[in-house]
Amino acid sequence: GIQVEQSPPDLILQEGANSTLRCNFSDSVNNLQWFHQNPWGQLINLFYIPSGTKQNGRLSATTVATERYSLLYISSSQTTDSGVYFCAVGLYNFNKFYFGSGTKLNVKP
Amino acid sequence: DTGVSQNPRHKITKRGQNVTFRCDPISEHNRLYWYRQTLGQGPEFLTYFQNEAQLEKSRLLSDRFSAERPKGSFSTLEIQRTEQGDSAMYLCASSGRDRDRYEQYFGPGTRLTVT
Repeated sequence: GIQVEQSPPDLILQEGANSTLRCNFSDSVNNLQWFHQNPWGQLINLFYIPSGTKQNGRLSATTVATERYSLLYISSSQTTDSGVYFCAVGLYNFNKFYFGSGTKLNVKP
Repeated sequence: DTGVSQNPRHKITKRGQNVTFRCDPISEHNRLYWYRQTLGQGPEFLTYFQNEAQLEKSRLLSDRFSAERPKGSFSTLEIQRTEQGDSAMYLCASSGRDRDRYEQYFGPGTRLTVT
C-alpha cells in the first residue's frame, strides 16, 4: 500500500502563532484530503486537495502531486485548532484512503 | 442532508460476544467505507461498498468480521466472538459517484470496548 508520513508528530504553539504541517506519500495519488479530528473522534473535512492550492479562512493547503507531498498551513492559531490533523491519500480506482499517523497540535492560550 | 450517522456511538461488550454496528451514509452517496482506528494511530481501511456490492476487503478483516449493505443504503458491520484486540473506534465514511465527488465524509464513529 501507499506509505504516508506526517510531520511533525507533535506540535505545541502559542495562540496567534503560524504553523506548517507536512504530508509525504510514497506513490502517485489522485485523491488527497486533510482532516481535523476533534476530541470526540469525529473527523472533520478541511480540504479535498489532490493538487493545487486552496484556502479557507485561516487555513490553506497546497499539494504538489508530482513531488508527492502536501502542506497544511494554519495562521493565527487559536486554542480551538488543537487536536489531531490527518492527511489521507488514495487512488480513485482503489477506492480507499491511506492515512498518516497524524500531527497532534496543542495551541496554548 | 444530516451527514453520515453511526449507531451505537459506544459499545461495551464481553469477550466472546457478537456485536453489530450500523452506518447510514449521506443519502445520495453510492460509495461506503469502513475504517478502524486504534489509540494514537490513523484510521485503517477495512472494506468498501459501491452500491450493494462489497468490492474490496482489507486483510485486517478476519473471518470474524462481516459487512453488508443489502439495499445499497445503510451498512452493518458485525464482529463475531469479540476479542480484546477488537477494541477500537470503528468509522464509516461515504462518497459520491462522480470523479469530482470522491471526497469522503466520515461519521462520528462507534467506540467498541471489549472487556
